[in-house]
Amino acid sequence: DQQVKQNSPSLSVQEGRISILNCDYTNSMFDYFLWYKKYPAEGPTFLISISSIKDKNEDGRFTVFLNKSAKHLSLHIVPSQPGDSAVYFCAASSSGGAGSYQLTFGKGTKLSVIP
Amino acid sequence: EADIYQTPRYLVIGTGKKITLECSQTMGHDKMYWYQQDPGMELHLIHYSYGVNSTEKGDLSSESTVSRIRTEHFPLTLESARPSHTSQYLCASSALYEQYFGPGTRLTVT
Repeated sequence: DQQVKQNSPSLSVQEGRISILNCDYTNSMFDYFLWYKKYPAEGPTFLISISSIKDKNEDGRFTVFLNKSAKHLSLHIVPSQPGDSAVYFCAASSSGGAGSYQLTFGKGTKLSVIP
Repeated sequence: EADIYQTPRYLVIGTGKKITLECSQTMGHDKMYWYQQDPGMELHLIHYSYGVNSTEKGDLSSESTVSRIRTEHFPLTLESARPSHTSQYLCASSALYEQYFGPGTRLTVT
C-alpha cells in the first residue's frame, strides 16, 4: 500500500506560469517532507523540505505548502522555466523509531514547461 | 554541492555474473542508502547503513548484499546477476533527513 501518493503522472505548464505539484500521504507518523527533482539518467537532486511544525517553506522560486489535517503537501514553482522540466518526487520521513531518516517516495510527476 | 560518486554509470552484463556497484561520498555522512528505481515508479530502499560495520535491509527484498567498512564507501554486490535485476541503482548519503544522491548505475542483465 502506497504511503506517499502523487496522483498526477504528468503536468504541462506554460513558461512563466505557476507549476503546482501535489502529494498526499497516509502515514500520520510522517513529520518531515522533501521534494526532489530528477532528470533522465541522473540521480535525484534535493530541492526543498518542510518540517511538520511549519505549513510553508520558501526557497527562491520554490515554495512547499503542508496541510497536516489533509495529509497533503504541494510544491509551487513560480515562474516556471523550461529548465524545470523533469520528474519531481515527493518523499516523507518520520523522526522516531527504527525507520528514522528513511525516506518513502511517491512515484513522481513529470513536469513539462512549454516555452 | 553534494559529492557522491557511483561507478560504473552503465553496465551490461550476462546472466550469472558477479558484479559490484561502487558508491563513495566525500561529505563524511554517517548514513548511506541504496535504492532501486524502475521507470515511472518510486524509489525503493534496498539497503541502508547508519555507520561503519552497520548495514540493514530495506523495504524492498533484494538478492544483493552491501558492506560498510569505511565511512565513505558503500558498495553493493550481486553474486549472480539475473535479468530481473535490470534496473537503475541509486546510492545516497545523508547527515539527517536530506539525502544526496549519486548519478546512478543503469544495470542491464542479458
